Amino acid sequence: EVQLVESGGGLVQPGGSLRLSCAASGFTFSSYGMAWVRQAPGKGLQWVSSISDSGTSTYYADSVKGRFTISRDNSRNTLYLQVDSLRAEDTAVYYCAKVLGLLDPFDPWGQGTLVTVSS
Amino acid sequence: QSALTQPASVSGSPGQSITISCTGTSSDVGGYNYVSWYQQHPGKAPKLMISNVSNRPSGVSNRFSGSKSDNTASLTISGLQAEDEADYYCGSYTSSNTLVFGGGTKLTVL
Repeated sequence: EVQLVESGGGLVQPGGSLRLSCAASGFTFSSYGMAWVRQAPGKGLQWVSSISDSGTSTYYADSVKGRFTISRDNSRNTLYLQVDSLRAEDTAVYYCAKVLGLLDPFDPWGQGTLVTVSS
Repeated sequence: QSALTQPASVSGSPGQSITISCTGTSSDVGGYNYVSWYQQHPGKAPKLMISNVSNRPSGVSNRFSGSKSDNTASLTISGLQAEDEADYYCGSYTSSNTLVFGGGTKLTVL
């Protein structure tokens, strides 16, 4: 069974940083692209970033470019998202997802980790 | 990248059919056959229902179907059931090598 388990969320002050992790199991992690998608409280889905199976290609939404960094460790079956210079509008549940194509579709999704940016 | 346009809400009675639209541009929905649909129940992670405009993943009911015409994609749910009540999101690949979602549609089963 494919499982994706996110961790690393929490309360952080504006301007702060966090590193989100997504532990994958049940599939050959190194053969698939991965992605982060976020959802602000009561709002819709927003694609954040994607990474190719090897990690050599990365893609970002304009709203996070230069502040967020996606990476992966195929030896540890783990996806990461380094989030820096956090703003109040980055407050959201962050989901990781397995990518079936180039940048989509996403299947399955993890349960999410909540990032709250507040002073 | 602007979000794709979906109706905020749709409703239908059990057994009926409903269609949710997803309108973009020639740079996303209209330009590629890479439109997906996701179902999200309250407090749960999204679930893939349709990929590549009209492909239904294994395990998804055949009551769900997808289509596209020009810059508008559509999700049709036939034989509505109470368990279909959820939020639905479309997503599309874009010419900027990014992914854009619709604002979401709340489906109410009356």
